[in-house]
Amino acid sequence: GAVVSQHPSWVICKSGTSVKIECRSLDFQATTMFWYRQFPKQSLMLMATSNEGSKATYEQGVEKDKFLINHASLTLSTLTVTSAHPEDSSFYICSARDLRRGDNQPQHFGDGTRLSIL
Amino acid sequence: SQQGEEDPQALSIQEGENATMNCSYKTSINNLQWYRQNSGRGLVHLILIRSNEREKHSGRLRVTLDTSKKSSSLLITASRAADTASYFCATAPGNQGGKLIFGQGTELSVKP
Repeated sequence: GAVVSQHPSWVICKSGTSVKIECRSLDFQATTMFWYRQFPKQSLMLMATSNEGSKATYEQGVEKDKFLINHASLTLSTLTVTSAHPEDSSFYICSARDLRRGDNQPQHFGDGTRLSIL
Repeated sequence: SQQGEEDPQALSIQEGENATMNCSYKTSINNLQWYRQNSGRGLVHLILIRSNEREKHSGRLRVTLDTSKKSSSLLITASRAADTASYFCATAPGNQGGKLIFGQGTELSVKP
C-alpha cells in the first residue's frame, strides 16, 4: 500500500526557533498533500492544502507567514513553523494523495510530528 | 471548520462485543471515509464509501451511509483488545480538491 513518511517524529526546541517538518510519499506521486494539526484528545484540523508546483491554500485562521509550506516535488512537501512559541506545540500530521487517480481515493497519512516548544 | 459530529465520544466494551459509531455531516459529499488512529500515531484508512453507495464491508468492519440523513455508521464486529483506538469519520466535500473534513472522533476501548 501507499506509504507516507513524516520526519522528524519528535522535536523539542526553544522558543523562537524555526522547525521544518518533511512529508514524503515513498511509492506514489502525491499531487496534493495536506497538513493537519491535532491537539490532545481532539480531532484533526486542516491547516493547508499543498499542491505540487503552486502556492499552498491555507484554511481560514491559519497564518501563512507562520506556517510556511513548500511542495517542490511530487514526493515531498515541507511545513516550516517559523519563530515557534509554546502555543505552537502540537501534533502535526501530513497526508498525501494522487489526484490523478480520481476523487474517490483515500488519503495516506504520515505518522505525525510531536512538536514541543519550551 | 469541522463539519462532522460523531457519537459516542467514548465507548468502552468487552472483547467479543460489537462496537457501533455514528457520524453526521452537513454538506453534500463525494465520499465518506473512516480512519483509525492509535495514540500518538498517524491515521490508518479503514473504508471509503462513495455517495452513491449505501453499505460496504471489509473484514469485521461494516459501514453504512444514508445521504438523505447525512449520516454514516461504522460497525466493528467481534471486537478485540487490539481494536482499541480513536476512530474518525471524514467527509470529502464536492469540488474541494480532495480535502477531508474530520469528525470529532470516537475513542474506543476494548477490554480483554
